[in-house]
Amino acid sequence: DGGITQSPKYLFRKEGQNVTLSCEQNLNHDAMYWYRQDPGQGLRLIYYSQIVNDFQKGDIAEGYSVSREKKESFPLTVTSAQKNPTAFYLCASSIRGVNQPQHFGDGTRLSIL
Amino acid sequence: SQQGEEDPQALSIQEGENATMNCSYKTSINNLQWYRQNSGRGLVHLILIRSNEREKHSGRLRVTLDTSKKSSSLLITASRAADTASYFCVLNFGNEKLTFGTGTRLTIIP
Repeated sequence: DGGITQSPKYLFRKEGQNVTLSCEQNLNHDAMYWYRQDPGQGLRLIYYSQIVNDFQKGDIAEGYSVSREKKESFPLTVTSAQKNPTAFYLCASSIRGVNQPQHFGDGTRLSIL
Repeated sequence: SQQGEEDPQALSIQEGENATMNCSYKTSINNLQWYRQNSGRGLVHLILIRSNEREKHSGRLRVTLDTSKKSSSLLITASRAADTASYFCVLNFGNEKLTFGTGTRLTIIP
């Protein structure tokens, strides 16, 4: 079955530590996205990538970094510069184009120790 | 803000009843999408309706779009306990990004 796999499901970060969230898809989608969701809120876009080796900042990119070395993979690093990282992080992918739905993974919940 | 505003924020109905959720927005859109999110899970795409369409159906779901009023509604007929989830109105303005509302939390009472 095709889909998006996010790992780990739960992650804990110590002060001053960088952590990396994994996102892998086998849907052969060109576009991939990272979102942050806070309790009772909608999703906010962190970074997105339309093609391998290219990515753009979303609305809340400060304190985060990404890479897109392979079509299937779009890891997100939450750096120590992100002062309020506790949130639910969702990865999505889609076929390129404006009238395409996005397919989501099941998320990673990040907490601070 | 360019995000859609869902109404109501929370809705509880008896199993078997119909559920209606509304979304209003302020800026012209290219398409509007509805997604469902079960607690602690990712989002699932339900329906995409383009700006030149007025109504779409998918199983027990019916979505309408009125671009003159800048509003959309999602109707779930004959609700089931498994429909308990948050439902998000999501806007596309003609680029490859989506703008999410804060959602309607639907509870189906068995």
